[in-house]
Amino acid sequence: AQSVTQLDSHVSVSEGTPVLLRCNYSSSYSPSLFWYVQHPNKGLQLLLKYTSAATLVKGINGFEAEFKKSETSFHLTKPSAHMSDAAEYFCVVSTGRRALTFGSGTRLQVQP
Amino acid sequence: NAGVTQTPKFQVLKTGQSMTLQCAQDMNHEYMSWYRQDPGMGLRLIHYSVGAGITDQGEVPNGYNVSRSTTEDFPLRLLSAAPSQTSVYFCASSSTENGYTFGSGTRLTVV
Repeated sequence: AQSVTQLDSHVSVSEGTPVLLRCNYSSSYSPSLFWYVQHPNKGLQLLLKYTSAATLVKGINGFEAEFKKSETSFHLTKPSAHMSDAAEYFCVVSTGRRALTFGSGTRLQVQP
Repeated sequence: NAGVTQTPKFQVLKTGQSMTLQCAQDMNHEYMSWYRQDPGMGLRLIHYSVGAGITDQGEVPNGYNVSRSTTEDFPLRLLSAAPSQTSVYFCASSSTENGYTFGSGTRLTVV
């Protein structure tokens, strides 16, 4: 069985400050992990993915995430938030070719 | 452009009506799946298929049917719509090499 817990339902930051969105996972097998972003009334866009290569994964728009097996975590970070980063973010786990298991989402608010 | 196409984008149904949400992909992906998105719950898996002629249930399958007669198409059928099925529905396809691609979603309201 696999599961994902996003530790914050809402995060608010000021523009230009760092972003940290937290994600813990549970998986019986070596997982693939993803972060997706969803802007209001839009579809899902892949930010980055971890598939057992380098533990620090760089994604689009300056985002990165670090896979920590000992902590079963896959937190998403960005050094400096931009207004356009305001959206909902989903941490996702997959094992093999089975379906994805989504976290409940974190809504990121960026204050000017 | 290659990708996953969902139709319709919006739909309003009356309780008890049936309908089919269409999903088509042109990437020759083996794997396709349907999710529903509800506020505060992320996306939950309804049904999935690992290839033509093979389907299986996900986390929330009740009230939905699927079939996979071709690699390209994976329609989702609502047999008798209920207000609890008001949601946004996403179709996805994937291959081992290329990861997951999502459609743009269908917003369904059941009144």
